[in-house]
This record gives sequence, C-alpha cells and structure tokens, in this order.
Amino acid sequence: GENVEQHPSTLSVQEGDSAVIKCTYSDSASNYFPWYKQELGKRPQLIIDIRSNVGEKKDQRIAVTLNKTAKHFSLHITETQPEDSAVYFCAASKSTNAGKSTFGDGTTLTVKP
Amino acid sequence: DTAVSQTPKYLVTQMGNDKSIKCEQNLGHDTMYWYKQDSKKFLKIMFSYNNKELIINETVPNRFSPKSPDKAHLNLHINSLELGDSAVYFCASSPSGADTQYFGPGTRLTVL
Repeated sequence: GENVEQHPSTLSVQEGDSAVIKCTYSDSASNYFPWYKQELGKRPQLIIDIRSNVGEKKDQRIAVTLNKTAKHFSLHITETQPEDSAVYFCAASKSTNAGKSTFGDGTTLTVKP
Repeated sequence: DTAVSQTPKYLVTQMGNDKSIKCEQNLGHDTMYWYKQDSKKFLKIMFSYNNKELIINETVPNRFSPKSPDKAHLNLHINSLELGDSAVYFCASSPSGADTQYFGPGTRLTVL
C-alpha cells in the first residue's frame, strides 16, 4: 500500500521567514496530493492541493510543488505569520483506490513573533 | 448550515462501556470516513464508505463497527471501550476518493 513520509516533524521559524515541509510517497499511481492545516483544538482543513498533471500551484503565500519522478511534493509558506502556527498534514491518494488517502505524520510549525 | 457535523463533541466514559458517535454531512458527498487522531496527533484512517458501502476497513479491532444508514450519515459504535481508545475521532466526507476531504469538528473520547 501507499506510504507517505513527512519531514520535518517540527519546524520553528521567525515571523517573516519562509517554511518548507516535504513529503515523499511510494505509490507511483497516486495522483492527488492535498495539504491540510490543523490549528490547536480544531479540525484539519484543506489549504492547497495539487494533482499529478501539474508541477506547481500557488495561492498567495502558499505554494505546493510536485516531482512525480522523485515521488515527492513540498509545501512552501512565504512571509510566515504567527497565525500560520499549526500542524500541517500532507496526504496522497489515487482515483482507483476508492477513498483511501494516506496521511503523513504531520509537521508542527511554530512561527515566533 | 454546517457541512460535516458530529455528536457528541466530548465523550467521557468508563472502561468496558459501549458508546456511539454520530456523523452527518449535507454536502451531497458520496464518500465518508472515520479517522482516529491520537495524542501524538497522527491521523489514521479507520473506515471509508462509498454510497453506504464499506470500502476501506483498516486494521481496526472488531469492537469498532461503523454503520451507514444512508450516504449522508456514518455512525461509529464502539463496544467494550478500552483505555487505548482515548483519542479524537474525526468524521470526514469527500465527493469521491481522490478529492478534498471535509472534516467534522471531532469527538474527544476519554476512557477512564
């Protein structure tokens, strides 16, 4: 089955710096890669996603890149703000797997003012 | 007009009891899920249903039994609760398998 590894497990940056979180996946048939943000005591919520036919996607300060050959994808947050502090999860799934998304173990991002 | 709702939000119970958590989505999605999030924040899928049919059943003890009366509801019944069952349980739904998942607010289960 699919295996998703996420690094680092914790990340601390100064406000205004950039943060990068990386994930690798094992199943080359995976074709959908979302990123979820979970604030303390809240539910995970999608912040950005990418499909396998696209190499990069950007939404304001957040971007995701996908390297299908190397089977890894990354989340980039620029100009970090204290409200970006949260746990971030990557996930991988494929259309033929009827509902199974495999999640990474999460990255706790702390943005220091 | 909550998209995915769960009840109860908190559940405190004694070991050995049986309890249920209910989930409803009003998004018209075909696929619903149950996840367990432990104290280390790992998010692990337990079950997935597509149009009321069980699709995924991860290695979950058979004390856990999901039930989907219709495609908008997915309930979780847990028998003979154990200390290790203490966690936050999230329900989620998505239009299809490889798509955005919308999570419920979570149910914090504490087994004493």
